[in-house]
Amino acid sequence: SQKIEQNSEALNIQEGKTATLTCNYTNYSPAYLQWYRQDPGRGPVFLLLIRENEKEKRKERLKVTFDTTLKQSLFHITASQPADSATYLCALASNNNDMRFGAGTRLTVKP
Amino acid sequence: KAGVTQTPRYLIKTRGQQVTLSCSPISGHRSVSWYQQTPGQGLQFLFEYFSETQRNKGNFPGRFSGRQFSNSRSEMNVSTLELGDSALYLCASSLVAVMNTEAFFGQGTRLTVV
Repeated sequence: SQKIEQNSEALNIQEGKTATLTCNYTNYSPAYLQWYRQDPGRGPVFLLLIRENEKEKRKERLKVTFDTTLKQSLFHITASQPADSATYLCALASNNNDMRFGAGTRLTVKP
Repeated sequence: KAGVTQTPRYLIKTRGQQVTLSCSPISGHRSVSWYQQTPGQGLQFLFEYFSETQRNKGNFPGRFSGRQFSNSRSEMNVSTLELGDSALYLCASSLVAVMNTEAFFGQGTRLTVV
């Protein structure tokens, strides 16, 4: 069956360090992969989108990689700040117009 | 510009009733998609509408339906409510398609079925 797994439910890091979040998938062929940030009680906020034929995308302190051979995406936040504390969701969309989300990783950046 | 507006924010319904939720997208956006979020199942895609037509559909029973109007505003309906339908229902708007472009989410409607 199709499965999307985000590496851990929670991740704690020190301010200034790089946070790395993982999104693995099985039995799925995504054409697009998106990363969202969600704060408690609020809707998700779009961060980055990467296509299957792209290896890497960057936006300010954010970087996403997409490895269709390993069936994995890595999401990096460099120079992390306490304000980056939130739940991060990966979302995969196939060419069949099927869209699925990971369970999310709750990131806490400690000062 | 104004964001995505969902109404109502909170709703309490009784099992067996039906409910209609509303979503007003960002001006100029033609795609509206709906999601259910629960602690147990996470965020799940319900369906997407574009130019008043359902374009994509997730794996939900027929009790969940929606429509989109000519001004791109969308409604979602759930009939014969079950306790398990208690969730945060989110909608998102995109210029063209939620699958491959930036999506903007509303604050959601918190539905409680008792």
